Amino acid sequence: GENVEQHPSTLSVQEGDSAVIKCTYSDSASNYFPWYKQELGKRPQLIIDIRSNVGEKKDQRIAVTLNKTAKHFSLHITETQPEDSAVYFCAASRAGNQFYFGTGTSLTVIP
Amino acid sequence: EAGVAQSPRYKIIEKRQSVAFWCNPISGHATLYWYQQILGQGPKLLIQFQNNGVVDDSQLPKDRFSAERLKGVDSTLKIQPAKLEDSAVYLCASSLAAEQYFGPGTRLTVT
Repeated sequence: GENVEQHPSTLSVQEGDSAVIKCTYSDSASNYFPWYKQELGKRPQLIIDIRSNVGEKKDQRIAVTLNKTAKHFSLHITETQPEDSAVYFCAASRAGNQFYFGTGTSLTVIP
Repeated sequence: EAGVAQSPRYKIIEKRQSVAFWCNPISGHATLYWYQQILGQGPKLLIQFQNNGVVDDSQLPKDRFSAERLKGVDSTLKIQPAKLEDSAVYLCASSLAAEQYFGPGTRLTVT
């Protein structure tokens, strides 16, 4: 089955700096890659996603890049704010089937 | 639009007891997922339904876990008998295409 690895497990940045979280996957058939933000005690919320026919996608301060050849994808958050502090999960899926999640990155934005 | 509903929100049981969780997906969403999220880990897919048929249950411990979605809408997940290692948050999600929307989860504590 699919194996999704996520790094780093913890990340601290100063407010206003950028944060980058990286994930790798093993199954070349995976073609949908969402990112979720989970605040303490709350449900995961989809923040951005990318499909395998696209190399990069941006939504305001958040961007995701995908390298299909290397089987890795990354989340980029620019101009970080304290409210960006949360656990972020990447996932890989075959068109909405068989979702496999990474182990999570705990992001702390220091004011 | 109403979100994914789950009940109960919290449940405490003793080992070897049974427990059931209920999920009501977003109206019109054909796909329903059950996940187990152990503290500090990413969600792990237990079972995925498409309408009332099972798409994937490869990670469901079938000796103790069962799930059904009889009319293609609501779903129940049952654990019988529970073990200490079943303590986790059980998340239900639904989707129309690939994007998943999560419910608030049920926090299960097995003592």
